[in-house]
Amino acid sequence: AQKVTQAQTEISVVEKEDVTLDCVYETRDTTYYLFWYKQPPSGELVFLIRRNSFDEQNEISGRYSWNFQKSTSSFNFTITASQVVDSAVYFCALSEGGSEKLVFGKGTKLTVNP
Amino acid sequence: GAVVSQHPSRVICKSGTSVKIECRSLDFQATTMFWYRQFPKQSLMLMATSNEGSKATYEQGVEKDKFLINHASLTLSTLTVTSAHPEDSSFYICSARGINTNYGYTFGSGTRLTVV
Repeated sequence: AQKVTQAQTEISVVEKEDVTLDCVYETRDTTYYLFWYKQPPSGELVFLIRRNSFDEQNEISGRYSWNFQKSTSSFNFTITASQVVDSAVYFCALSEGGSEKLVFGKGTKLTVNP
Repeated sequence: GAVVSQHPSRVICKSGTSVKIECRSLDFQATTMFWYRQFPKQSLMLMATSNEGSKATYEQGVEKDKFLINHASLTLSTLTVTSAHPEDSSFYICSARGINTNYGYTFGSGTRLTVV
C-alpha cells in the first residue's frame, strides 16, 4: 500500500533562511509519481512539481528545488531565501502507476516570519 | 492550462438538509474525478473516485448513501451531502484527470461546508 510521511508538522523560519521540507514515501510499485502541492490559507491546492520514478534528476525552479532519492525513498523540497509569501501548508503526495489514487502526506505548515 | 471550477466556495446549511457541490473541468475532458475531504489542520483524505458514466468507487469508511457522487459527463461531477449534520462540516475539494492533461491532477478551489 502506498504511504507518504511528512514528519515535520510545523516549521518556522525567518525570512531569507533556507528551509527543507522532508517527504518519505512507501510503495511496492516500480512505477510511481511524486508530487508537491502548496496550500495557502485560502485553501486551494497549488501544484508545484510532479516527478516520475524513473527520473531521479534533481529539479530547480527559481527558489525551489527538489531532491529525489530512490535509495532512501525520499523526495525533499527546499526553499532557498524564503519569503513571507511562502507561508503555507505543503503536501507531498504519491500515486502508483497502476492506480489513479493520489495519497497525501499529513502536510508541513511553514511559517516564514519577517 | 487545465482548470477545474468548483462551486460553491462556501456554503452554510441547516442540519438535516442536503447540499450539492459541483466540480467542472473547463478546458479538458475529465475521465476521472476525485473527491477529498479535509478537516481543519489535517491532510486531504480521498473519499471517492468516479469515472464518467459509471458508479463511483468509495474509500473504506465513506458512506455512499450519505455522499452521493454523480459523474454524468466528461466535464461535470457533483457531490451531494445528504441529510447533513454538524460533523459533516469540512473542506471538500475535487480533482480531475484527463487525457489532454497528461493525466496530471487538477484541483478545484474547494468548498467550505458548515452545517449548523
